[in-house]
Amino acid sequence: QVQLVQSGGEVKKPGASVKVSCKASGYRFTSYVISWVRQAPGQGLEWMGWISAYNGDIDRAQNFQDRVTMTTDTATTTAYMELRGLRSDDTAVYYCARNRVSYSTSSVGAYWGQGTLVTVSS
Amino acid sequence: EIVLTQSPGTLSLSPGERATLSCRASQTVIRDYLAWFQQKPGQAPKLLIFAASSWATGIPDRFTGSGSGTDFTLTISRLEPDDFAVYYCQQYGSSPHTFGQGTKLEIK
Repeated sequence: QVQLVQSGGEVKKPGASVKVSCKASGYRFTSYVISWVRQAPGQGLEWMGWISAYNGDIDRAQNFQDRVTMTTDTATTTAYMELRGLRSDDTAVYYCARNRVSYSTSSVGAYWGQGTLVTVSS
Repeated sequence: EIVLTQSPGTLSLSPGERATLSCRASQTVIRDYLAWFQQKPGQAPKLLIFAASSWATGIPDRFTGSGSGTDFTLTISRLEPDDFAVYYCQQYGSSPHTFGQGTKLEIK
């Protein structure tokens, strides 16, 4: 069965960087897009972007163009999201999600990781 | 950027009643690529409906998605205790793949 297992919670100081991992299993990793979504405490969902594990294409929300790097490691079937220049308002749960349809960037996240809480505090 | 506006913000109903949730887009959603998610406290979102009206795997037909263009609806017939949660719509036809702000469905 499809599983996405994310790395554990992190506490970071303002200005630091964080790298969240998303280990995929149960499907052909290189056939799908992985999206990243975050949720600040008590708030709604915010789409950050996606990365294609089959050709490396990336799309990011304007808010994250300069601060987010998304990568994949096909050998370990793991996706990564690095956020730099952390601020207090980056405190959130970060989710990875696998698209429903293979080889498509216009597809919705059907399988989700459990989330990773990133806390930014001095 | 397409802005999705969900209404109402909070919906108070009793088990057995029917829930109607709205999601309105500021521009036409390409190919009606509109999804609905359910989220419970401490859990990841769960996909219910994709492409406006198609059921995700394992979702009961009590959940019905409808609409096209800019106006979409999620209807939950015969509410069960497990249905009380927050519901989000998301469009994924154009970048960025924006979410609505959510509707909280609470027990009356």
